[in-house]
Amino acid sequence: EIQLQESGPGLVKPSQSLSLICSVTGYTITSGYDWSWIRKFPGNKMEWMGYISYSGSTNYNPSLKSRISITRDTSKNQFFLQLNSVTTEDTATYYCARYDGYYHGFAYWGQGTLVTVSS
Amino acid sequence: DIVLTQSPVLAVSLGQRATISCRASQSVSISSINLMHWYQQKPGQQPKLLIYRASNLASGIPARFSGSGSGTDFTLTIDPVQADDIAAYYCQQSRESPPTFGAGTKLELK
Repeated sequence: EIQLQESGPGLVKPSQSLSLICSVTGYTITSGYDWSWIRKFPGNKMEWMGYISYSGSTNYNPSLKSRISITRDTSKNQFFLQLNSVTTEDTATYYCARYDGYYHGFAYWGQGTLVTVSS
Repeated sequence: DIVLTQSPVLAVSLGQRATISCRASQSVSISSINLMHWYQQKPGQQPKLLIYRASNLASGIPARFSGSGSGTDFTLTIDPVQADDIAAYYCQQSRESPPTFGAGTKLELK
């Protein structure tokens, strides 16, 4: 069974960087698919942030392009989110998810982790 | 970006049919392939894929869920509604990058 689990700090100060880890079990992230980060804001709006593909290439939402980086550690079967220069507007629940492509959507999701940006 | 519009709330009685709509700001279909997907999210849980490519049931999803539509107008139908279906429902398009989501429809009991 494929499972994804987010981890990381629940509180980040404004202007600092937000860093999250997604640990994947039941599937090797280098075997296929695109490994995404999605966030859900307090008002329920959801935003796709970007992904790292099974080959290691990345694709980011243009709205975040200057602040976001998604990387991976294939030895640990993990991928990571870094979002720089955060503001209170970045307060959200962050999900990692497996994107099965245009035809199949986001098939597997982690449980999500709430990150609050506050001083 | 493609904007997806959903009604915020739908009130329904148990055992009745629920019809949830999603309208896209431009077509999300390529030829006969409709690149619209539907998710269910219950409070405190992650979203779950229900329907992919507008009308295909994801693995393990009960047959009372169905999807239809093409171009800019899509519908998720639940018939009959059960108590376990009370949740928020989101549409998502993959026709253009970035993938975008609707704001969600909260299904409530009448």
